[in-house]
Amino acid sequence: EAAVTQSPRNKVAVTGGKVTLSCNQTNNHNNMYWYRQDTGHGLRLIHYSYGAGSTEKGDIPDGYKASRPSQENFSLILELATPSQTSVYFCASGGDTSNERLFFGHGTKLSVL
Amino acid sequence: QQQVRQSPQSLTVWEGGTTVLTCSYEDSTFNYFPWYQQFPGEGPALLISILSVSDKKEDGRFTTFFNKREKKLSLHIIDSQPGDSATYFCAGLTGYQNFYFGKGTSLTVIP
Repeated sequence: EAAVTQSPRNKVAVTGGKVTLSCNQTNNHNNMYWYRQDTGHGLRLIHYSYGAGSTEKGDIPDGYKASRPSQENFSLILELATPSQTSVYFCASGGDTSNERLFFGHGTKLSVL
Repeated sequence: QQQVRQSPQSLTVWEGGTTVLTCSYEDSTFNYFPWYQQFPGEGPALLISILSVSDKKEDGRFTTFFNKREKKLSLHIIDSQPGDSATYFCAGLTGYQNFYFGKGTSLTVIP
């Protein structure tokens, strides 16, 4: 079974601080994604990547950066965290070919105080 | 502009009943429509999916229907069980490998 691991599972940060959310996949997928999930908004795409060294902006990229240093790892970076970024963040891999499913991690619950 | 609209936002059904969730979409280039199931504290997981060339896909108690002309799809759960209580997301996939998700339906099945 494909595996996507996120760390940390929970994070409390202060406003203005830097936050890095990490994601590792063992599926050898080219595509990786970062979503945030908020009540009433569902899953919204922040950044995605087609492979090592590539990052692309999703629908809500403002305030976020992404880094894909290797096939396995994809990070989401909040340089200056704000309370509005309090959310649950999901990493996913997959979708390399048409009709291929996405595999999601368990999520990171981020609280910015 | 929201690409995929999902309804209802929440739904409660009795055990043994039939659950119907619906979605509509805007982009005619969508060619693949997965449904994801999410339990509290977990990430979404693929439940069932359908291609735009098909109009029905069945997997046990779960069936998804697709109407290309009306740009609508639905998920039917027969003999609903308390273990089906979860949040369900429909999604559409374009040729650019970007998934657009609906806002989700929270389903509660009462024993």
